[in-house]
Amino acid sequence: AQSVAQPEDQVNVAEGNPLTVKCTYSVSGNPYLFWYVQYPNRGLQFLLKYITGDNLVKGSYGFEAEFNKSQTSFHLKKPSALVSDSALYFCAVSPPYNQGGKLIFGQGTELSVKP
Amino acid sequence: SQTIHQWPATLVQPVGSPLSLECTVEGTSNPNLYWYRQAAGRGLQLLFYSVGIGQISSEVPQNLSASRPQDRQFILSSKKLLLSDSGFYLCAWNQGPVTEAFFGQGTRLTVV
Repeated sequence: AQSVAQPEDQVNVAEGNPLTVKCTYSVSGNPYLFWYVQYPNRGLQFLLKYITGDNLVKGSYGFEAEFNKSQTSFHLKKPSALVSDSALYFCAVSPPYNQGGKLIFGQGTELSVKP
Repeated sequence: SQTIHQWPATLVQPVGSPLSLECTVEGTSNPNLYWYRQAAGRGLQLLFYSVGIGQISSEVPQNLSASRPQDRQFILSSKKLLLSDSGFYLCAWNQGPVTEAFFGQGTRLTVV
């Protein structure tokens, strides 16, 4: 069965420092991986995705993520955090086409960036 | 452009009452549609997803049901609400596994 794990409930970072939010996955075959952000009482917003190709993908608001097949990871990164980056971040996985249309999310990581 | 509408934004319902949450998508055709529940502002639990009209896959056994009467309409229902049904319900759509999903603004349901 496919699954996504975000091992950290919360990540605290000082403004200007680099940030990393971790994600590991379990999917048969080649996965399609996504990162989303959620602000309080709102729906989720897409940040970036990995489908194929270059392992380093760049997305919105200066975020990037690195796909590592051997470690089954897709960690979200940003070189310099902003206070406005504080939000709830979700990693998600879709199985390959022949395994149906499910989109599965991790449990979320709350990012707190302090001035 | 594509948009997704989800209503109502908030709902307070007594235990044992029925529920109907509606989600509609505009500007696309034959989307994959999803209902998620988010408890206590954290993880998203996939409740139902649909890859076409009348095709509903249920992920979690519960007293909720879903229907897709039209291509771009997805309805979440219950005949009798439980206290444990309280939560933040999110509708979403995408065009398949390689495309990003777009979310509605959510419905905060409180069962009292």
